[in-house]
Amino acid sequence: DTAVSQTPKYLVTQMGNDKSIKCEQNLGHDTMYWYKQDSKKFLKIMFSYNNKELIINETVPNRFSPKSPDKAHLNLHINSLELGDSAVYFCASSQDGNYGYTFGSGTRLTVV
Amino acid sequence: TQLLEQSPQFLSIQEGENLTVYCNSSSVFSSLQWYRQEPGEGPVLLVTVVTGGEVKKLKRLTFQFGDARKDSSLHITAAQPGDTGLYLCAGVRGNTGKLIFGQGTTLQVKP
Repeated sequence: DTAVSQTPKYLVTQMGNDKSIKCEQNLGHDTMYWYKQDSKKFLKIMFSYNNKELIINETVPNRFSPKSPDKAHLNLHINSLELGDSAVYFCASSQDGNYGYTFGSGTRLTVV
Repeated sequence: TQLLEQSPQFLSIQEGENLTVYCNSSSVFSSLQWYRQEPGEGPVLLVTVVTGGEVKKLKRLTFQFGDARKDSSLHITAAQPGDTGLYLCAGVRGNTGKLIFGQGTTLQVKP
């Protein structure tokens, strides 16, 4: 009964490929997020959706496109992968962000 | 420049010692949250503080929110090897709803 689950856990792919990461939450939260954690462990927000509506879109290359088919799912599609996209991507959800987020266990993306 | 400056970034201590991690900013936050992250896992929420001057305790961990809601600290008493991990502070800017993270503190407690 994982609260926030994302797949796959590991993703190794070649430059130029297109890949997707899926995320689902069963907490009934209205808001979902994508964060990127770099090699120095710094976490930076990428996108936020509230009840399927995009509300935060940081300065992320437009090769990254989030999609939320319903409020329990938020997927991340990445086109034309580059070496610099290698990182750990975390999905998270919250009901009221002021009281904490619940994170998934991450997807380690390695672009070779 | 970081919106949230967390220090120290690395800390290696012996079991039984006390330690404090600081999280500072020049900005006001509507809430300040502390997370712990284990290798291969996502951050797990430890505590949220929302009121200036608020102090919360979680067993041997004490969290404090500054009076002006710009800074926070995490104090661990009598650290144990099981406390080893990455500690992250994060703040929510009032009108943006964004949770912004500090750089993290990697804590190693040696037996």
